[in-house]
Amino acid sequence: NAGVMQNPRHLVRRRGQEARLRCSPMKGHSHVYWYRQLPEEGLKFMVYLQKENIIDESGMPKERFSAEFPKEGPSILRIQQVVRGDSAAYFCASSPIGDRAYGEQYFGPGTRLTVT
Amino acid sequence: AQSVTQLDSQVPVFEEAPVELRCNYSSSVSVYLFWYVQYPNQGLQLLLKYLSGSTLVKGINGFEAEFNKSQTSFHLRKPSVHISDTAEYFCAVISTGGGNKLTFGTGTQLKVEL
Repeated sequence: NAGVMQNPRHLVRRRGQEARLRCSPMKGHSHVYWYRQLPEEGLKFMVYLQKENIIDESGMPKERFSAEFPKEGPSILRIQQVVRGDSAAYFCASSPIGDRAYGEQYFGPGTRLTVT
Repeated sequence: AQSVTQLDSQVPVFEEAPVELRCNYSSSVSVYLFWYVQYPNQGLQLLLKYLSGSTLVKGINGFEAEFNKSQTSFHLRKPSVHISDTAEYFCAVISTGGGNKLTFGTGTQLKVEL
C-alpha cells in the first residue's frame, strides 16, 4: 500500500513564477491537509480539503495561495508570483475519514521549494 | 486556540543513555496529543498518540510518553537510545471538539552520539 506521494520533491522557482505542488493521498483516503514548514520552525497548518471541497483554509495566506482537490487526480497547492519568503518545505497529509477523535494523519515526504 | 512548546531545540545524548524530550501545551479545550518523528529529508511518522485512558502510552521504536493534565505536559521518553534514533521530534495537539488541524511545536533535534 503506497504511502502519501508528493511531487516534485524539490522545486526551484525564480521570483514571480508560479509553483504547483502535487499530492496523491493514500489509497482509500479522501481527506487531504497541507502544512508548511519554514526553516527552524514547526509545521503550520494551511488548508484541509475533501474531494471538490475546501473544508478549512484558515491557515492559507490571503493572496497568491490556492488549493484544490478535484474529483479525479491529485490535490494541488498553487503559489502564484512566488517570493523568497515562500521558500519552505510543504507537506501533504491524508486521513481515511475526517474523524476528529483520532486526528491521525499520514504524511508525505514533502516538497522543498526554493525561490531564487 | 492551542499552542505547543518544545523548550529544547537540540538534545545531544550518548548511545544507550536514556532521553526525555519535553512538550508542554496550552489549550482552552480538551485535546488529543501526538508525537511525530521526522528523519532527514523525509515526511513525518507517527510515534504515538494519547486519546484517552491510561496516561502512559507506548509507541513504536521503544518510545513512550506520559500525559500529565495538571502540568499540561506530554513528555517523550526512551530508556536507551540508539544511533538510528537521531531525528527531529515534533509534539502536536488537536482539539477534541472540532477541526482537523494539528498544531505542532517547533521540534526537538535529538542527536545520538557514540
